[in-house]
Amino acid sequence: QQPVQSPQAVILREGEDAVINCSSSKALYSVHWYRQKHGEAPVFLMILLKGGEQKGHDKISASFNEKKQQSSLYLTASQLSYSGTYFCGTERNSGGSNYKLTFGKGTLLTVNP
Amino acid sequence: GAVVSQHPSWVICKSGTSVKIECRSLDFQATTMFWYRQFPKQSLMLMATSNEGSKATYEQGVEKDKFLINHASLTLSTLTVTSAHPEDSSFYICSASYQETQYFGPGTRLLVL
Repeated sequence: QQPVQSPQAVILREGEDAVINCSSSKALYSVHWYRQKHGEAPVFLMILLKGGEQKGHDKISASFNEKKQQSSLYLTASQLSYSGTYFCGTERNSGGSNYKLTFGKGTLLTVNP
Repeated sequence: GAVVSQHPSWVICKSGTSVKIECRSLDFQATTMFWYRQFPKQSLMLMATSNEGSKATYEQGVEKDKFLINHASLTLSTLTVTSAHPEDSSFYICSASYQETQYFGPGTRLLVL
């Protein structure tokens, strides 16, 4: 079952913040965030495994809510390099799936000077 | 670490011919690799899960006789598109499981004339 991402697209000026949401109708085991630039492969950003977990590096962070059905990706003080399509990939079952993920439709983030 | 390569990056072929795409994990061993297909501005659609030494598991609606997958070693999986037709034109991306997530190759653009 495909997770739902919102918004579908967002346009920012350099330095502004953005939040991208990823939700599921079922409880999730983990959420994985990727960024894909045009014509390139997705690049792994981070994984969240535990309900209530928050992670981050540089100015990109994410949370995974207690009920483990929603994750949010936070981009603060956006840079031009943040532009791209952000995908969340969800894993419903722990162990044995070898990290098989179902991806949302993506959120296109454009950062302008 | 966790580098995945794909070859070729671009391929143009005539309708009816077969095309082989290679996916290699360069600095780690991958017992599981995944093959995706992505149309422009769309999400990553999982085609099949490739397990080393065993048959691939195909997603519903994916023709296993048309998309042949071989995972002969812990660092190499191949996808062969047999008797390719123009509707098979797409961006094919592989990924490999490593440390609780997937790492993606750079993708292969296939154009069938």
